[in-house]
Amino acid sequence: DAGVIQSPRHEVTEMGQEVTLRCKPISGHNSLFWYRQTMMRGLELLIYFNNNVPIDDSGMPEDRFSAKMPNASFSTLKIQPSEPRDSAVYFCASSSSGGQPQHFGDGTRLSIL
Amino acid sequence: KNQVEQSPQSLIILEGKNCTLQCNYTVSPFSNLRWYKQDTGRGPVSLTIMTFSENTKSNGRYTATLDADTKQSSLHITASQLSDSASYICVVSPREDNNDMRFGAGTRLTVKP
Repeated sequence: DAGVIQSPRHEVTEMGQEVTLRCKPISGHNSLFWYRQTMMRGLELLIYFNNNVPIDDSGMPEDRFSAKMPNASFSTLKIQPSEPRDSAVYFCASSSSGGQPQHFGDGTRLSIL
Repeated sequence: KNQVEQSPQSLIILEGKNCTLQCNYTVSPFSNLRWYKQDTGRGPVSLTIMTFSENTKSNGRYTATLDADTKQSSLHITASQLSDSASYICVVSPREDNNDMRFGAGTRLTVKP
């Protein structure tokens, strides 16, 4: 049974470049979450979707960040333009309805030089 | 101020020993509390979940306790193994749908042979 799949696992790029992170949730799950994890701030929720619709994006740090979920099996998190302070591990998680636990992917480690 | 505080920040123990990790929270209202285990380079994995009415929940050598009156939880690990080396994150949800999760900063546990 495939879990949440994220790509790429690692990304190193120069500041100012556009970065796109990808996520495939567990089939049948209707909620999808994007998190950012740093040593200083721990895990922070950026945005979550229910049935492909963004419900709460209050955690998105600024307009440089955007997220889309064009269908039930795919989501992207885009940063444009990227800055060194965006360096972190970005996690995607999914869950089914009814308060079921969130299942996390293994993350994308992003380094902005 | 983080609504979920964990202690200690890090802990080193010898293989075979027991240990207890602490979590204090101020999240209100309260729906459930979950302990996650995060191995290095991996996403968090749910260990236990407790609702308001539950005092204890076990998962193998992991036992979580909850005192909803004092807003405290602990995670006890019995007969530690090298594979227990990980970060343990306390997560509190004010809502039943688990779409609003408040994360602690985690305790980094190292088990040495």
